[in-house]
Amino acid sequence: QLQHQESGPGLVKPSETLSLTCTVSGASISTGSYYWAWIRQPPGKGLQWIGTIHYSGSTYYNPSLKSRVTMSVDTSKKQFSLKLSSVTAADMAVYYCATSEGGSYRVQFDYWGQGTLVTVSS
Amino acid sequence: SYELTQPPSVSVSPGQTARITCSGDALPNQYAYWYQQKPGQAPVLVIYKDSERPSGIPERFSGSSSATTVTLTISGVQAEDEADYYCQSADISGFVLFGGGTKLTVL
Repeated sequence: QLQHQESGPGLVKPSETLSLTCTVSGASISTGSYYWAWIRQPPGKGLQWIGTIHYSGSTYYNPSLKSRVTMSVDTSKKQFSLKLSSVTAADMAVYYCATSEGGSYRVQFDYWGQGTLVTVSS
Repeated sequence: SYELTQPPSVSVSPGQTARITCSGDALPNQYAYWYQQKPGQAPVLVIYKDSERPSGIPERFSGSSSATTVTLTISGVQAEDEADYYCQSADISGFVLFGGGTKLTVL
């Protein structure tokens, strides 16, 4: 069973860069049919897709966040990462890492991490 | 901008059938997926490719599609089904999109 563990600071100052890492176990991050995603959920609100990365380095970003998002993958550490720059209070959310095993970035998210709350405050 | 529209809330009594809709102009050309999210927990996939049920998901969960609307149906609703439900699909550019979510209340 594929499992995820998000890690990173729970508090980020406005205008700074949010950085999170997702460590994967139970599957190889280099599996070609797997796509690795970040999704967020502001408190009391709905889900928002941030972006998806393939181990090959191909990335797919939400157009509304694209200018601030960078995703990367480290196959040796079985990790993929998210950087979101110039954060504001609107970026406060629970951030989930998730996996699509359907061979595309735009199919279902089959596995999810438990999520990590990131607060934006000075 | 393109949106997936869900009703904010649906209420049913135990044993009844709950139907949660998701509407979007691109749905005739894109698969839809459904997630269940209970408070404080990560979402769980309950339906993929409009009507397929992942292993471990009870048979009372089913999905259907008609034109620009997809529907999640929960037959014989149980108290444990009370949760938020989200549809997911893609816009015409292929980017991932979630509906606003529907809160299912079991009366």
